[in-house]
Amino acid sequence: GENVEQHPSTLSVQEGDSAVIKCTYSDSASNYFPWYKQELGKGPQLIIDIRSNVGEKKDQRIAVTLNKTAKHFSLHITETQPEDSAVYFCAASGGNSGYALNFGKGTSLLVTP
Amino acid sequence: DTEVTQTPKHLVMGMTNKKSLKCEQHMGHRAMYWYKQKAKKPPELMFVYSYEKLSINESVPSRFSPECPNSSLLNLHLHALQPEDSALYLCASSQVEGQNSPLHFGNGTRLTVT
Repeated sequence: GENVEQHPSTLSVQEGDSAVIKCTYSDSASNYFPWYKQELGKGPQLIIDIRSNVGEKKDQRIAVTLNKTAKHFSLHITETQPEDSAVYFCAASGGNSGYALNFGKGTSLLVTP
Repeated sequence: DTEVTQTPKHLVMGMTNKKSLKCEQHMGHRAMYWYKQKAKKPPELMFVYSYEKLSINESVPSRFSPECPNSSLLNLHLHALQPEDSALYLCASSQVEGQNSPLHFGNGTRLTVT
């Protein structure tokens, strides 16, 4: 089945700096890659997603890049703010193991003022 | 606030109790999901309903019993749980099952089994 690796597991940045979280996947047939942000005491919230026919997608301070050849995708957050502090999960789906989301283990991001 | 509403937010139950978790969405989504999330782990899929019919059961023990009364509601009935079942139970919905339809999660029910 699909295996999604996510790095780093923890990330601490200063306010205003950029943060990058990287994920790799094993199933070359996977074609949908969402990112979720989970704040303390809340459920995961979809913040951006990308499909395999696109190499990059941006939404204000958030961007996702996808390299299908290398089977990795990354989340980029620019001009980080304290409210960006949360756990971020990448996921992959649509491959040979079906459409169910295969999540990475998560990255705990801390943005310090 | 999320558009998927879960009640209760917190639940403490004994191993002999019977309780139910409830989930509601009014986005017109036809697929609904139950996930279980342990601390510092990603969500794990338990059940999927598509057009009010059970589509996927990820080999979940029978002490968890899902129910989908209509397209807006999803319940999870709990009976004879074990302490290791303590977790955050998340409901999610999507427009349809599959087709890489984005999932929308609720804020979960924090369950503690004593």
